[in-house]
Amino acid sequence: DAGITQSPRHKVTETGTPVTLRCHQTENHRYMYWYRQDPGHGLRLIHYSYGVKDTDKGEVSDGYSVSRSKTEDFLLTLESATSSQTSVYFCAITQARDRGDGYTFGSGTRLTVV
Amino acid sequence: AQSVTQPDIHITVSEGASLELRCNYSYGATPYLFWYVQSPGQGLQLLLKYFSGDTLVQGIKGFEAEFKRSQSSFNLRKPSVHWSDAAEYFCAVALNSGNTPLVFGKGTRLSVIA
Repeated sequence: DAGITQSPRHKVTETGTPVTLRCHQTENHRYMYWYRQDPGHGLRLIHYSYGVKDTDKGEVSDGYSVSRSKTEDFLLTLESATSSQTSVYFCAITQARDRGDGYTFGSGTRLTVV
Repeated sequence: AQSVTQPDIHITVSEGASLELRCNYSYGATPYLFWYVQSPGQGLQLLLKYFSGDTLVQGIKGFEAEFKRSQSSFNLRKPSVHWSDAAEYFCAVALNSGNTPLVFGKGTRLSVIA
């Protein structure tokens, strides 16, 4: 399996606090993605990156920001956490999507905002 | 707008019975098509993918899927279900040009009974 790790695995935080989730890969893949998973909604794209310092918004990007200063790390920041951001967050990587490669997913971060 | 529909939220089958999970997509052209499986508390694992050629695709764990252009469908099948197949299954699609991210269906939860 591709080397992709997410940290932390679980986090409980208070409303209004900033939170940063980390995705780290050892595969030197170009593309990285952040999704959130909620019951009844499947996976929804938050942000993605197609290279160092190159990022773009997904369908549910409000309240989130990302940074990618190195190929191996993709950080997701909740600028001021709200209860609606309680979710499971997945990071995914792929080398070149237009070859039909699927994504490799991390194990997820379960975030609870109280 | 591109979309993916999994009509069945939850399916229950008996162990040893056959399985078919439905997936329909709405795209202007034939996209790349994927099926992923998620066991409880885990990330997503790629089962199989289609991007050209033979419309019947074989995957891991004994699964297969058939692409039907006329029906805009990519249904997942297994001839004999095992209790370990109980999980959530996601269909995903992406345009076959550029690097647009995968769009996921909302998932189908599979329960297996003895």
